[in-house]
Amino acid sequence: DAKTTQPTSMDCAEGRAANLPCNHSTISGNEYVYWYRQIHSQGPQYIIHGLKNNETNEMASLIITEDRKSSTLILPHATLRDTAVYYCIVRDSQGGSEKLVFGKGTKLTVNP
Amino acid sequence: KAGVTQTPRYLIKTRGQQVTLSCSPISGHRSVSWYQQTPGQGLQFLFEYFSETQRNKGNFPGRFSGRQFSNSRSEMNVSTLELGDSALYLCASSPGAGYQPQHFGDGTRLSIL
Repeated sequence: DAKTTQPTSMDCAEGRAANLPCNHSTISGNEYVYWYRQIHSQGPQYIIHGLKNNETNEMASLIITEDRKSSTLILPHATLRDTAVYYCIVRDSQGGSEKLVFGKGTKLTVNP
Repeated sequence: KAGVTQTPRYLIKTRGQQVTLSCSPISGHRSVSWYQQTPGQGLQFLFEYFSETQRNKGNFPGRFSGRQFSNSRSEMNVSTLELGDSALYLCASSPGAGYQPQHFGDGTRLSIL
């Protein structure tokens, strides 16, 4: 079973920031938080990952709470092309396995 | 850098047949994982190969198998196809150690008639 909980769906206006929350209350010390998104009929696209510090790249920012029990993915200026299903996943970096356990994700709809 | 390449993109088979899907990972990546995606079950992990050895396996019947070659390319095989095997099959590659993320291909859409 997935170790994360995400809202089923969210809406965002084009040009505004999209803030996607994720709960991972049972996360352990070696587990990283990864975010992927999937646009219909394509493979999941890697967005960002982090352990405990906030991270930013050209696509998004990842804010992880100090207790690491939740995180937020921020798309600073959402566009229509950001409409997708967003998955938050935790994975042990020292487990010797690359297995990702996907939940149902959040369906983000960006509206014009 | 080229991404993960999966072939073929689309495939139609009939029940009872067998099928082989191919995955070429990103250059330098040693780990290849396979996932099945269906509307009902979502994305489910099939297996992972690292340096030609199966390192982890999901909860799928033995009809699903895979292998990895010395150049890290991987194939998965499904024998005695069933209607329920209709799905998008996704391959992902990563360096295979530590926290580096996996990168996915666009999958093979398998339809069973």
